[in-house]
Order: sequence, then structure tokens, then C-alpha cells
Amino acid sequence: AQSVAQPEDQVNVAEGNPLTVKCTYSVSGNPYLFWYVQYPNRGLQFLLKYITGDNLVKGSYGFEAEFNKSQTSFHLKKPSALVSDSALYFCAVRGRGNNRLAFGKGNQVVVIP
Amino acid sequence: GAGVSQTPSNKVTEKGKYVELRCDPISGHTALYWYRQSLGQGPEFLIYFQGTGAADDSGLPNDRFFAVRPEGSVSTLKIQRTERGDSAVYLCASSFSSLSTDTQYFGPGTRLTVL
Repeated sequence: AQSVAQPEDQVNVAEGNPLTVKCTYSVSGNPYLFWYVQYPNRGLQFLLKYITGDNLVKGSYGFEAEFNKSQTSFHLKKPSALVSDSALYFCAVRGRGNNRLAFGKGNQVVVIP
Repeated sequence: GAGVSQTPSNKVTEKGKYVELRCDPISGHTALYWYRQSLGQGPEFLIYFQGTGAADDSGLPNDRFFAVRPEGSVSTLKIQRTERGDSAVYLCASSFSSLSTDTQYFGPGTRLTVL
């Protein structure tokens, strides 16, 4: 079985401050981890993924995420948040040989001007 | 290039009716996935196609749900005898191959409302 936990329902951050969205996962074997962003009435947009190698992954729009195997975490980060980053963020995991993505429930990010 | 497209964007139907939802994947992508997203939840896997065949349909909730991909490109999700609990956003995704490392790219979804 594979699963993701996103413990916070909503993350509020002031514009210009660092943004962190937390994600922990459970999967058999090595995980493949993904972050997606969803704007209102739109589909999920891919931000970044971890497959192997460097634990720090850089993605679109200045986002990055750090894979931590011992803590089974893959937190999403952005050094300086923009108002336009306000959206719903989903973490997802996929085990090796498994074709389906398992998603967390999502985190609503609100960036306050 | 063009992304994944889904039609219709919205579908309102009455309980007991039959509906079809269409997905047009990114050109050249061999793998196609259907997910269902209920309000306040993350997407949940329904079915996965590699080429024309359904390689994994274990996420379909019951036998009222069926999907096809006859030519290995466009897919149609079919729901018979719709129930109010089927109301959700149905998302389609495609990837270049079926490798677990491949990124799945999502369409905008079809919002299904069953009255």
C-alpha cells in the first residue's frame, strides 16, 4: 500500500516570507514523489518530482522540495512567497512498479499581501 | 504543445442516467489514467491504460463504471445508472510511458453533478 499525509489543512504566509508545505509518505521500497498545484476550476499542474539522486529537487516557479528518507518526508518549499502562489497543493507518491499515484488530501496555501 | 483535454468541462445529469466523459491525452503518450476527486479530497485512482488495454482497473468503485481506449489515444469513461454519490471531478492524466518515474500530466477535469 502507498499513502501520503499532508497534516495541515491550510498554510498562511505573508508575501515575501518563506513557504513550507509538509508531506510525509508511506510506500514499500523506494518512493517516487511528486508535487502538484491546483488553481480554482483547473486541473493539477506538475511542479517537481524526486526519483533518485540529490535529495534537494528544484522545480517550476521557484519551488523546491527536500527528500528525507529517514523521516519519510518530502516537504515543498519556496524561499519567498508570492500572492500568486495561493492555491491548493498536492503531494503524491508512487512505488516502484506501481502505476497509480496516491495523493494526499491537499493543502490550501494563502499568501497574504 | 497541447496538453490533456477533457470534455465536457461540466456535466449535470439526473440520477439513473448514463454519462460519458471523454479524455484526449497528450500526443504520443502511451499511458492514460483516470482519477476521481471529491470535494476536499485528493484525486483517487480509478483505472490505467497502457495502449488500448486496461492494465489496472482495480480503482473502479463498482460495475457501473467502465472505460475504453479503443485506438490507444482518446479514452471514454462511462458511468451507468448514475447515483448522487458519483458527483465529483473526474480527472484524466497521461504520461509518455508506464514507467513509475514518468510524470503524469493532468487535464482540467470534468465536473459531474448528479441531481
